[in-house]
Amino acid sequence: DTGVSQDPRHKITKRGQNVTFRCDPISEHNRLYWYRQTLGQGPEFLTYFQNEAQLEKSRLLSDRFSAERPKGSFSTLEIQRTEQGDSAMYLCASSSDAYGSEAFFGQGTRLTVV
Amino acid sequence: AQSVTQLGSHVSVSEGALVLLRCNYSSSVPPYLFWYVQYPNQGLQLLLKYTTGATLVKGINGFEAEFKKSETSFHLTKPSAHMSDAAEYFCAVSGDDYKLSFGAGTTVTVRA
Repeated sequence: DTGVSQDPRHKITKRGQNVTFRCDPISEHNRLYWYRQTLGQGPEFLTYFQNEAQLEKSRLLSDRFSAERPKGSFSTLEIQRTEQGDSAMYLCASSSDAYGSEAFFGQGTRLTVV
Repeated sequence: AQSVTQLGSHVSVSEGALVLLRCNYSSSVPPYLFWYVQYPNQGLQLLLKYTTGATLVKGINGFEAEFKKSETSFHLTKPSAHMSDAAEYFCAVSGDDYKLSFGAGTTVTVRA
């Protein structure tokens, strides 16, 4: 297993466009998380899945954001009508649901909205 | 609810000197505590974690941290800094839902 993969690594888009990011978790992990990190800050929780069920969404996740995890495998995060404030690093992580298990992070997708 | 405060946004140490990064947490349930390291334009890599049991936790690259419940602290140390330790370090806490709450991070620079 090569770990958590995210695609693309970088995305530049014009304001108002839609973007979609993909995350492939570690195959045996049933929990998948999305975080957003802005410059000089720690990652902030956006949402998480237990298998295919989206169990929690942060209030940071406005109506323009939607995440899916069909069949409990890979996940996508879509941002509609992007705004300059959406510029950030979007990090995906996965973990098992065993007691005390840690989250393994992907390398992130850097979004720049111009 | 859980939260983390990292004291000091920047730490500069000489090569071979002690590295000490401070982290205090708040948690309404027994916490799980983590330290992650992030290199520029990379994801986060786990250094070490505390879940239960021994309060002194050893991690990778010579780092260790001690869980002190009475002080609600989980400070990270390394006896002798190496140039490769230059990075950003994040303390994080989670509860039963495994959702991580991160501190704002501490940037470590190592002087030759």
